Amino acid sequence: AQSVTQLGSHVSVSEGALVLLRCNYSSSVPPYLFWYVQYPNQGLQLLLKYTSAATLVKGINGFEAEFKKSETSFHLTKPSAHMSDAAEYFCAVSVGNTDKLIFGTGTRLQVFP
Amino acid sequence: EPEVTQTPSHQVTQMGQEVILRCVPISNHLYFYWYRQILGQKVEFLVSFYNNEISEKSEIFDDQFSVERPDGSNFTLKIRSTKLEDSAMYFCASSSDRGSYNEQFFGPGTRLTVL
Repeated sequence: AQSVTQLGSHVSVSEGALVLLRCNYSSSVPPYLFWYVQYPNQGLQLLLKYTSAATLVKGINGFEAEFKKSETSFHLTKPSAHMSDAAEYFCAVSVGNTDKLIFGTGTRLQVFP
Repeated sequence: EPEVTQTPSHQVTQMGQEVILRCVPISNHLYFYWYRQILGQKVEFLVSFYNNEISEKSEIFDDQFSVERPDGSNFTLKIRSTKLEDSAMYFCASSSDRGSYNEQFFGPGTRLTVL
């Protein structure tokens, strides 16, 4: 069965600092991996996705994530945090012939001035 | 930019009552989904729907739940007799194509509170 673990339910960084949000997955078959962001009172918005084309994936708003099979990880990074990055971030996995997304518990990012 | 909309944003109901949560997917999308998130827990898949049929459902989606596309635009989730444990945020999503790699577009959610 597939699963996703997000380490750290809350992450706080200063504006301009590196953002690192951790995601580890478990899957017996090659996975598709996603990062979604949720701003207050809004729906989940896709940041980026890994679909086996390239291990380093660039997304919107300056975020990127690297698929590391040996570490079963898909961590999300951004070199320099902005106040507008404050939101909840969800890692998700999907496999094979199913459409369903399996989500992690989410990480709330706070950005301090 | 097209978006998925959901109504109401917040629904309060008494235990045992029926509720219908409504969603308007993006107009040219053909695949529809419901997820829910109990406070403090993971977002969980409930059901996927295509061509007026359920494609896949989770074990959460028991006989108390049903989905329908009553017309060309709405996609609804009905809970027949709500329980306290149904209190959660319910998200609707849609996609233009099938497949694990396709982006699902999510609505803002409906917060259901069962008293």
